[in-house]
Amino acid sequence: EAQVTQNPRYLITVTGKKLTVTCSQNMNHEYMSWYRQDPGLGLRQIYYSMNVEVTDKGDVPEGYKVSRKEKRNFPLILESPSPNQTSLYFCASRRGGYDTEAFFGQGTRLTVV
Amino acid sequence: AQKVTQAQTEISVVEKEDVTLDCVYETRDTTYYLFWYKQPPSGELVFLIRRNSFDEQNEISGRYSWNFQKSTSSFNFTITASQVVDSAVYFCALSEAKATDSWGKLQFGAGTQVVVTP
Repeated sequence: EAQVTQNPRYLITVTGKKLTVTCSQNMNHEYMSWYRQDPGLGLRQIYYSMNVEVTDKGDVPEGYKVSRKEKRNFPLILESPSPNQTSLYFCASRRGGYDTEAFFGQGTRLTVV
Repeated sequence: AQKVTQAQTEISVVEKEDVTLDCVYETRDTTYYLFWYKQPPSGELVFLIRRNSFDEQNEISGRYSWNFQKSTSSFNFTITASQVVDSAVYFCALSEAKATDSWGKLQFGAGTQVVVTP
């Protein structure tokens, strides 16, 4: 089954404690990205990757890092989380560029206290 | 500037009523795609439809229909004879061929919460 898998689904952490949210897709998609969803703002792109070792900033990259060492994996790293990073996070993959649908992971609800 | 506007924050209807969700977009690109996604209470994002900028034909899929009008930059979504299972947040999104800031980015509207009561 084609899918994007994120872990964990829920995470509560304390300010400043480094964390990683993993994302893996089994569709051999080149394009992957991370979004955060906040009330009244919809989904905003954090980082994206066009292929292995190719990553770039989206609209709200501050406080986040990513890496793309393998095609299937695209982890999101918060080196020093802060309460304003409390949000619902989605990983997405697309087969191609602008003209293809995005497949989303189940979401990770992160709370930073 | 917001490129996709969903002005309706929440719409409440009684089962079997029709509901129309508005989506207005802004782009200078002549080639782009528009999408609708559904987010049920369980939280996942479910793809509903995509439409390219050169195809203005309306589309119907079961109880769902979409009205794309380039003249008004709108891509509205109608649920006919709504059911409780339609209760969800619905997102409209834009993907531009020549996006200068982020290739392949989906630009989402703020979403519209649809509440269908029995």
